[in-house]
Amino acid sequence: DTGVSQDPRHKITKRGQNVTFRCDPISEHNRLYWYRQTLGQGPEFLTYFQNEAQLEKSRLLSDRFSAERPKGSFSTLEIQRTEQGDSAMYLCASSLERLAIQETQYFGPGTRLLVL
Amino acid sequence: DAKTTQPNSMESNEEEPVHLPCNHSTISGTDYIHWYRQLPSQGPEYVIHGLTSNVNNRMASLAIAEDRKSSTLILHRATLRDAAVYYCILRGAQKLVFGQGTRLTINP
Repeated sequence: DTGVSQDPRHKITKRGQNVTFRCDPISEHNRLYWYRQTLGQGPEFLTYFQNEAQLEKSRLLSDRFSAERPKGSFSTLEIQRTEQGDSAMYLCASSLERLAIQETQYFGPGTRLLVL
Repeated sequence: DAKTTQPNSMESNEEEPVHLPCNHSTISGTDYIHWYRQLPSQGPEYVIHGLTSNVNNRMASLAIAEDRKSSTLILHRATLRDAAVYYCILRGAQKLVFGQGTRLTINP
């Protein structure tokens, strides 16, 4: 399978614990996005990378959230001191940026987080 | 971020055409109209996009009003596998800004 993969697919944690999610984009895709989706809502943008540079962060990304893409390939999203409000599906997408062309974003299956 | 308005839900029958409307009266001249859909328990997937002219691909057609304040996604012959939430998105920058979408139900 050459699509976007995410790990783990499901995570249950207790409030106050730290969690880390991983996203492996489609090979050679230079852009990587993180979105969050709560039940019944559309996905909300969190942040995106072009290669290893984090170019935009949403105001939703509080200081408890950090994302990295150290070598411009896979990315991790860490949530520190989780709260019940962090319970959501975390989606990763990747794309191949081409100048002045609206590239397609390819989404992974998501990581579903439940904070107890 | 520019806003879109879609019906919460629609229902259609298998093998019939489906027209999914989207209003975007605040669209700017550089915004592209994108459609993604999300099948149950999956991440969103790209359907189609356009700027001013109508567009066709193997999945669907996109009809864009002359003033660009509305658009319609057309599924020519719906199948049960087309049951999903369909999102109409105005894209001016890199990120996608999703609304609540239209939940499409297909009856056999």
